[in-house]
Amino acid sequence: DTEVTQTPKHLVMGMTNKKSLKCEQHMGHRAMYWYKQKAKKPPELMFVYSYEKLSINESVPSRFSPECPNSSLLNLHLHALQPEDSALYLCASSLGLAGGPGRETQYFGPGTRLLVL
Amino acid sequence: GESVGLHLPTLSVQEGDNSIINCAYSNSASDYFIWYKQESGKGPQFIIDIRSNMDKRQGQRVTVLLNKTVKHLSLQIAATQPGDSAVYFCAESKGNQFYFGTGTSLTVIP
Repeated sequence: DTEVTQTPKHLVMGMTNKKSLKCEQHMGHRAMYWYKQKAKKPPELMFVYSYEKLSINESVPSRFSPECPNSSLLNLHLHALQPEDSALYLCASSLGLAGGPGRETQYFGPGTRLLVL
Repeated sequence: GESVGLHLPTLSVQEGDNSIINCAYSNSASDYFIWYKQESGKGPQFIIDIRSNMDKRQGQRVTVLLNKTVKHLSLQIAATQPGDSAVYFCAESKGNQFYFGTGTSLTVIP
């Protein structure tokens, strides 16, 4: 299984809503990532988890709250978002962060397209 | 953050021709480089990678060239096909730092 899955595929939410994005992989990868991608722009790193611990938080606003319940799952909890948060949210995973050939190669899911009204 | 940029934001090629997509990076300490392909509505798809101890790596119809002297990375696609139309991103990595370039949109003309 070489796939990263994400649900839902699309999400529309109001600014007062609470929602969650889910990501799953069964490749035995121990690093997982959340990215935000605006149209015609490269993905921007938000969070990195390594061995289920938050390793990097790229100064992301607290209205985004990541969670890694186990080595296969990664969630992104959303609360009180703004319209400018509308974007494609991508999850990725890699064997590890570094330390050997290909360990840090990231494999991406299809993304969740989020629209905040 | 680091700067990983692409020389050309768009590229159009005739079907069957070879394509070359270029990328400049700024961190001379980066030791791992990856090319991704992103089709409309999909996540980035890994194409090929190269470590800094190499200057060339070949895959199926794709070749990545790394010139560390001028901090330049390129992706060559042989016999470009309509299915190659997508946005191509280079990315550089050093440890747990990972940065994407700005992307090049490749359009293949049938």
